[in-house]
Amino acid sequence: DSGVTQTPKHLITATGQRVTLRCSPRSGDLSVYWYQQSLDQGLQFLIQYYNGEERAKGNILERFSAQQFPDLHSELNLSSLELGDSALYFCASSVGAPGPTNEKLFFGSGTQLSVL
Amino acid sequence: AQKVTQAQTEISVVEKEDVTLDCVYETRDTTYYLFWYKQPPSGELVFLIRRNSFDEQNEISGRYSWNFQKSTSSFNFTITASQVVDSAVYFCALRGTSYDKVIFGPGTSLSVIP
Repeated sequence: DSGVTQTPKHLITATGQRVTLRCSPRSGDLSVYWYQQSLDQGLQFLIQYYNGEERAKGNILERFSAQQFPDLHSELNLSSLELGDSALYFCASSVGAPGPTNEKLFFGSGTQLSVL
Repeated sequence: AQKVTQAQTEISVVEKEDVTLDCVYETRDTTYYLFWYKQPPSGELVFLIRRNSFDEQNEISGRYSWNFQKSTSSFNFTITASQVVDSAVYFCALRGTSYDKVIFGPGTSLSVIP
């Protein structure tokens, strides 16, 4: 058990809908990362937060947004969902630091999103 | 820009064989960090090792060993005497200092056949 909790584990929804994925990092970790894993794109970095502030942005669509709350949990909001958004969404956490570090990431078990 | 290439999409080996998973990276940063993660069938990604760019010493941990060669921008992973439990997808990852993201390669799916 990595200590990172993601809910829900599975989500089935329809095109055009909006969903929220939740992540609770390991106790004491300040950094949260979101990744999307699909068969054709692999593991794609979406966005990173450090202590409530956005630190880095990857290939995140404008229809997607995220935030990290004062209690350090994070939410990833996906709106106007399309079939191609079906994927496994991972959250990861690390202790965190002001700059790039060699910290290892601890991953949650992911949320499997199916858009029908 | 940063990029991680894992040319081997799928590898199958028979139990007890040695297998090497290749990883080639690209970065303009002089300081960077390399990682390997394992994703077993259960789905959760598990950290295996990290290496700083200024530390080219190779590492061995049990049946696992890693060969970091800065000259060829490679960070290869060898499993000696493979076991069925080694069956998983293995990801190589890179974190630079100018781009504060952890970028993953496409992964190599390893199947160890009993």
